[in-house]
Amino acid sequence: DGGITQSPKYLFRKEGQNVTLSCEQNLNHDAMYWYRQDPGQGLRLIYYSQIVNDFQKGDIAEGYSVSREKKESFPLTVTSAQKNPTAFYLCASSRNQAGEGETQYFGPGTRLLVL
Amino acid sequence: QKEVEQNSGPLSVPEGAIASLNCTYSDRGSQSFFWYRQYSGKSPELIMFIYSNGDKEDGRFTAQLNKASQYVSLLIRDSQPSDSATYLCAVNMNVNTGGFKTIFGAGTRLFVKA
Repeated sequence: DGGITQSPKYLFRKEGQNVTLSCEQNLNHDAMYWYRQDPGQGLRLIYYSQIVNDFQKGDIAEGYSVSREKKESFPLTVTSAQKNPTAFYLCASSRNQAGEGETQYFGPGTRLLVL
Repeated sequence: QKEVEQNSGPLSVPEGAIASLNCTYSDRGSQSFFWYRQYSGKSPELIMFIYSNGDKEDGRFTAQLNKASQYVSLLIRDSQPSDSATYLCAVNMNVNTGGFKTIFGAGTRLFVKA
């Protein structure tokens, strides 16, 4: 089955710790995205990548980092510089970058909690 | 600032009624519009997309697009309790550097009463 997987489902971070969220897709999509969702709010774009070895900052990139070494994988690291990391993190992919008609499909999400 | 606006709700309708969800957007040049459903604690799932003015039907769902008035709506006929969720409107908008960016609304919570 084609789809997007994210792990872990829940992640606990201690203060000052970096943590990495995994996102893998087998849809052969070129573009991948990371969003953050806070309660009662819409999705905010953290980073996106159009092709391997290339990525751009979204609207709220501070305190986060990404890599895109393989087409299938787009891990997100939440660094200690992100002072309010508690949120629901969603990974998405699309065939190409958001052009006309490009639809994004989402993984199941990772809920990050701060201890 | 590119924006997509939705009424946060909750919108409450009785079972079997028509639920009407609305969304307005700021970029007149936008071409692609999407509706996602998000159950509590889950990720958004695509319901349907629409590109052309008018109506597009898929089962109990109908998307309506009016580019002149810059709004898109989603109608859910014969609403069921299982339709209770948050509905996100998304719009692919032009960006200054070229290309497009997907902007999501904050969502409308729908509650269908049995």
